[in-house]
Formats: sequence, C-alpha cells, structure tokens
Amino acid sequence: KNEVEQSPQNLTAQEGEFITINCSYSVGISALHWLQQHPGGGIVSLFMLSSGKKKHGRLIATINIQEKHSSLHITASHPRDSAVYICAVSFFGNEKLTFGTGTRLTIIP
Amino acid sequence: EPEVTQTPSHQVTQMGQEVILRCVPISNHLYFYWYRQILGQKVEFLVSFYNNEISEKSEIFDDQFSVERPDGSNFTLKIRSTKLEDSAMYFCATAGGYYEQYFGPGTRLTVT
Repeated sequence: KNEVEQSPQNLTAQEGEFITINCSYSVGISALHWLQQHPGGGIVSLFMLSSGKKKHGRLIATINIQEKHSSLHITASHPRDSAVYICAVSFFGNEKLTFGTGTRLTIIP
Repeated sequence: EPEVTQTPSHQVTQMGQEVILRCVPISNHLYFYWYRQILGQKVEFLVSFYNNEISEKSEIFDDQFSVERPDGSNFTLKIRSTKLEDSAMYFCATAGGYYEQYFGPGTRLTVT
C-alpha cells in the first residue's frame, strides 16, 4: 500500500518569500501530481510529472524517483497563492490517484 | 478552456434517501473517476470507470454506490440509501488517457 506524506501540514509566510512544500511516497509510481485546492473546495491540477522538473510561472515542481520525493516551490509568493496544496500519486496501469493530506499555505501581505 | 462540470453544487438530503450526483466530463475524455473528501480529511478514491464499466473501486464503494454513464455524456454517482457518514464533498475527475486528471468543482453532500 502506498503512503503519501506531505510536509509541512501548515505553512505561513510573508508575501515575497520562497516557499517549499515536500512530498514523499513509499512505492514506485507512474506519476506524481501536484494539485491546488481553493478555499471554496475546488481542485486544480498544477503539475503531473514522472521525472525531472517542471515550471509554470512562479511554480516549480521537482521529483527524485530514486529517493521517492518531490518538492513544490513557489517563488515570490503572493497572498493569492494561499490555498491547500496536495500531492497525489498514480500507478502504472491504474491511474487512480492516492492523495496526501495536503499543506495549508497562508501568505500574509 | 474545456472544463468538468458537476451538479448540484450542494445537496442536502435525509438519511436513507437516494441521491444522484452528476458530472459532465470534458468531451473527448475516456477515463472517469469519483473521489470524495470528508471535511478536514484527505481526498479518497471511490471508483474509476472506463469503456462503460467500472475498472476499479475502493472499499468505500460498497453496494450502496453505483455509477453509470446513461446517455454517453453525463457520468453519475448514485448513493441508494444515504448515511450520515456519506456527508462529504464529492469530486468527479476525467482524463483523456494516462494523463493529468481534470477535476470538477465538487458537490457538497450533507446528510441529515
């Protein structure tokens, strides 16, 4: 059974700070997903990656397959980045997602 | 940009009643999923659906739950006899293949 662990559970930072959220998982996966859940509850897919690094705007996601670890970075954080960030994994031949517990990020102006 | 839609956004029902949650997938997507999130907990997988049949279901998805795609467009989740513990946010997600999943906005189900 794959476990997905995220840290920290809660993170409060000042506007402009560099943010890092970590995710680790216990067994081999086909892909790792970073998702954003807004205060209203909706979920948006930010990244899907199986190796290396992806960048979209101020967001960067990296994954180390050997170490079973991924990080989500936010540069120049802004109050609108405040949300819950969720790591989820999928497996070869079975693409259901197994979710972490999420990291609640609050950016203070 | 195409999006997944879900109706209703909020459903309040009495214990023992049947509810049907509806999802309209992105038009060329072939893989469909239902997830749920109990308040304050992580998102959990319920069921996946491909080629008009269930491809996998979780332990949560017992005989009280069913899914179907009755008209080739809507994808529905039915709970036959709701329990208090079914109160949660239910998310539909769809994918075009082994790619990222697109989530609907969710249906908040409250069972009283």
